[in-house]
Amino acid sequence: SQTIHQWPATLVQPVGSPLSLECTVEGTSNPNLYWYRQAAGRGLQLLFYSVGIGQISSEVPQNLSASRPQDRQFILSSKKLLLSDSGFYLCAWSHGLAGRDEQYFGPGTRLTVT
Amino acid sequence: GDSVTQMEGPVTLSEEACLTINCTYTATGYPSLFWYVQYPGEGLQLLLKATKADDKGSNKGFEATYRKETTSFHLEKGSVQVSDSAVYFCALSLQGSQGNLIFGKGTKLSVKP
Repeated sequence: SQTIHQWPATLVQPVGSPLSLECTVEGTSNPNLYWYRQAAGRGLQLLFYSVGIGQISSEVPQNLSASRPQDRQFILSSKKLLLSDSGFYLCAWSHGLAGRDEQYFGPGTRLTVT
Repeated sequence: GDSVTQMEGPVTLSEEACLTINCTYTATGYPSLFWYVQYPGEGLQLLLKATKADDKGSNKGFEATYRKETTSFHLEKGSVQVSDSAVYFCALSLQGSQGNLIFGKGTKLSVKP
């Protein structure tokens, strides 16, 4: 069966510090991968998605970036965090390019920027 | 553009009450439709889905029917439990969209004993 992991689970970082969040998927190959942010009391905002190694599409221009160094690894980064980067970050995967499949979500990372 | 609209919460019910959370969508093609549930502090879990008109998705006593004529996918449950307290998200996915989901803003449900 497939599983998706995210770490760390929680993170408290000062403004201006760097960020690296990691997501890995097990039990499948060539997944589509996604990063979402959920601000307090709001819905989900798609940040990045990837259909393959080294292929990243950005939905929202900002100080965050994403990379996919391996087929089942997806990393969210920032060089300098802003207060507005606080939120709950969710990684998700889906099968291939069908475009009609459900996404499976990880447990999330709670980021607080102080 | 494509979008999903959910009824605003929070919704507060007593245990064993009936639940309906309204969801309507706007899409240029023929989307798949989903309901996800998020328990406090956790990620989203797929609750049910429907991929074509008149399909009914069901799981854990929840149901939703894909209504093309009214562009709706309302979530229903006949008797809610305290353990159903969570945030519920309606979402759609369009063929050829590389799997990108469009989410509603979520509806928070609180069930009191």
